[in-house]
Amino acid sequence: QQQVKQSPQSLIVQKGGISIINCAYENTAFDYFPWYQQFPGKGPALLIAIRPDVSEKKEGRFTISFNKSAKQFSLHIMDSQPGDSATYFCAAKWGAQKLVFGQGTRLTINP
Amino acid sequence: DTGVSQNPRHKITKRGQNVTFRCDPISEHNRLYWYRQTLGQGPEFLTYFQNEAQLEKSRLLSDRFSAERPKGSFSTLEIQRTEQGDSAMYLCASSSFSDSPLHFGNGTRLTVT
Repeated sequence: QQQVKQSPQSLIVQKGGISIINCAYENTAFDYFPWYQQFPGKGPALLIAIRPDVSEKKEGRFTISFNKSAKQFSLHIMDSQPGDSATYFCAAKWGAQKLVFGQGTRLTINP
Repeated sequence: DTGVSQNPRHKITKRGQNVTFRCDPISEHNRLYWYRQTLGQGPEFLTYFQNEAQLEKSRLLSDRFSAERPKGSFSTLEIQRTEQGDSAMYLCASSSFSDSPLHFGNGTRLTVT
């Protein structure tokens, strides 16, 4: 119930392409869904987040699509750049800012 | 805003030894969290503080683990009698009292030999 399932585990995209990472959850008590970006040797950094009353949120090249009825949400990275190569984690919050994370997606953008 | 600071960055210890990590949160943040991240996995919640009060502990936090946040400022995480399974990245995060995002530090990587 407290899990977030993330796919794919790894993703290779050509420069300029669209990167898409998907997550699914079961617990309807989750009320906040952030995406984090992590580079090797660094802590996760918040990229973009959405609440379940919104179906889409866009910030620059990053867009979250949220489907409440399907309990799924996804991250789209438009015009993917080599600097976007990192590990991406979706997460979901319940209670006092306790986050449960997905397993991560290692994204590689080929130049 | 200097970000969340964690020390040391790396710690290598022998099985059975005790280790202590320190986290300095962003100065105006009331909430402080500890997470553990193993290789290839997402971070897992361990415990969190609101000011100096430890409000919740995960079942992952065995009796060998203890965390403190004296005076509601920095926090320490101690692991007693370390085991090889404790090898992981220990991440600290903080947030303000309101419903705001978590800001993570760069973690302490623990290797137990």
